[in-house]
Amino acid sequence: DAGVIQSPRHEVTEMGQEVTLRCKPISGHNSLFWYRQTMMRGLELLIYFNNNVPIDDSGMPEDRFSAKMPNASFSTLKIQPSEPRDSAVYFCASSLVQINSPLHFGNGTRLTVT
Amino acid sequence: AQSVSQHNHHVILSEAASLELGCNYSYGGTVNLFWYVQYPGQHLQLLLKYFSGDPLVKGIKGFEAEFIKSKFSFNLRKPSVQWSDTAEYFCAVNAPNNQGGKLIFGQGTELSVKP
Repeated sequence: DAGVIQSPRHEVTEMGQEVTLRCKPISGHNSLFWYRQTMMRGLELLIYFNNNVPIDDSGMPEDRFSAKMPNASFSTLKIQPSEPRDSAVYFCASSLVQINSPLHFGNGTRLTVT
Repeated sequence: AQSVSQHNHHVILSEAASLELGCNYSYGGTVNLFWYVQYPGQHLQLLLKYFSGDPLVKGIKGFEAEFIKSKFSFNLRKPSVQWSDTAEYFCAVNAPNNQGGKLIFGQGTELSVKP
């Protein structure tokens, strides 16, 4: 299995631009999570989906952030417009919730907003 | 709300020293507990997990953790660390009645092992 695949690995953009982060979960997994990691706040859960349906988006910091999961094999996290304080590493993770499986993380996208 | 507390932000050890990283959680019901490791520049990887049964859990690379329900703790241990154990370690908790199996992570403990 290829694991959780995220793209791009690195993204550098200017303030005000739209940023789209992509994630392909492990095939067969039915839960997908977006986390953000910064030095100041550590790992923060932004949003998660069960069976492609958003369950809890209370961690999404502002309306500038949105996430979609149009099908079981793809999810996006969009920031529009981006700001320098959005600079962080964004991780996608997936799991098979029925058997309490652990989360499997992707390699992350390192976002830098200048 | 659930929370996870890791008491040590940065631990510095010499090779062959013993390691214990503290983790406490706030949820009073049945919990699943995890330790993840993040090597420099890499993603989080599962070290070990506790769901039920023997409270002493053994994981990869010689790590183990003990679940002590009365103390709401799940401390990570290793009898003899190596330079290659230099990484950040995250404790996480998930309550089975927590929809979707989301994990709540602690702030992480950075471990530096000196050769």
